[in-house]
Amino acid sequence: NAGVTQTPKFQVLKTGQSMTLQCAQDMNHEYMSWYRQDPGMGLRLIHYSVGAGITDQGEVPNGYNVSRSTTEDFPLRLLSAAPSQTSVYFCASSYTRQNTEAFFGQGTRLTVV
Amino acid sequence: SQQGEEDPQALSIQEGENATMNCSYKTSINNLQWYRQNSGRGLVHLILIRSNEREKHSGRLRVTLDTSKKSSSLLITASRAADTASYFCATGSNSGYSTLTFGKGTMLLVSP
Repeated sequence: NAGVTQTPKFQVLKTGQSMTLQCAQDMNHEYMSWYRQDPGMGLRLIHYSVGAGITDQGEVPNGYNVSRSTTEDFPLRLLSAAPSQTSVYFCASSYTRQNTEAFFGQGTRLTVV
Repeated sequence: SQQGEEDPQALSIQEGENATMNCSYKTSINNLQWYRQNSGRGLVHLILIRSNEREKHSGRLRVTLDTSKKSSSLLITASRAADTASYFCATGSNSGYSTLTFGKGTMLLVSP
């Protein structure tokens, strides 16, 4: 049972570089989302998707792009990394209907220098 | 913006004691969920309570919900060292999707 798989686990980027954080789930969940976790801030929603081909912005979308070409995959792209994007990133998936639990990946710890 | 606010921010107890964490939120909700996060790991779902429910139990966990006060509490009975973790409440909106809004968490330390 893989659940939600995120890669890489750790990444160091230089300011201005771009990269893609990968997220895959094998539970056939329609809903997928990306959060960032910063000390003292809890988890904040970056982008989410309710199905293949459908994405929308969350609370803190600036500097990030997403796409959803398949049900399984939901990559997060950093277009031009900034030190303010240093954070731990979590991908989560669930069924779209309400009153369902979310399943989280193990996180990607990103440092931008 | 944060929907839920947990209280206290940190809690330190001895093994065998009960731990109570509180969560307050601002807008109407469809459900409220509690998650646990061990250091350096992802979040794990503990329990979900719907807006029309007042209390729910799961093993050593007891959750209450008071929609009139927009608050919830999580009680962990007979705490163990393995319960040491951060606990987050998350609210599900009435928007029709399963979007969750998280609080900042309570860090629980259970000492042997």
